[in-house]
Amino acid sequence: NAGVTQTPKFRVLKTGQSMTLLCAQDMNHEYMYWYRQDPGMGLRLIHYSVGEGTTAKGEVPDGYNVSRLKKQNFLLGLESAAPSQTSVYFCASTHSVYQETQYFGPGTRLLVL
Amino acid sequence: GENVEQHPSTLSVQEGDSAVIKCTYSDSASNYFPWYKQELGKRPQLIIDIRSNVGEKKDQRIAVTLNKTAKHFSLHITETQPEDSAVYFCAASWTSGNTGKLIFGQGTTLQVKP
Repeated sequence: NAGVTQTPKFRVLKTGQSMTLLCAQDMNHEYMYWYRQDPGMGLRLIHYSVGEGTTAKGEVPDGYNVSRLKKQNFLLGLESAAPSQTSVYFCASTHSVYQETQYFGPGTRLLVL
Repeated sequence: GENVEQHPSTLSVQEGDSAVIKCTYSDSASNYFPWYKQELGKRPQLIIDIRSNVGEKKDQRIAVTLNKTAKHFSLHITETQPEDSAVYFCAASWTSGNTGKLIFGQGTTLQVKP
């Protein structure tokens, strides 16, 4: 039981490049979330999903897209990376809103030059 | 929109002393308040949570209190140890929204000096 995993662990992009971050969970959780973590700003919700095939915007969705084609995977895409997207990205999942412990992945460190 | 304010941003205590971190929330519909601990370079992990129908919850050296009227909640760590050094995040959520979304505070860096 690996819990929540994220790929890649670290990536360097040039401005304008695109990439996809993958989050996978093996706990059969319905709800999945993407956060970004910046110094002094806590964890801010980018997008989330309440089930396979659904996605919704969080606090800071601009510049990102997501897809949840399979229940166990939640993908975060950057179509045209900007330096302001340099951050640590965390994925999280939870079984339901009534058992709300969110289990986090190990994070992806992204540097956009 | 929903907002969670957390104070202080940094906290330094001597080993054995107590540490208190406070958070206030804006949405009166919030009914779930977890606290996460994040060690350097690691992922956030839940350490304790409290629901709105409870005023206080304790787990060994950590406790959380909730004042719904004032819309604030606090984390208390007693007999601090060097391994308590980490960043602590409070968060708020509401089950009626059926999304499980958490709104996090800005984080508190706790340093416990031996």
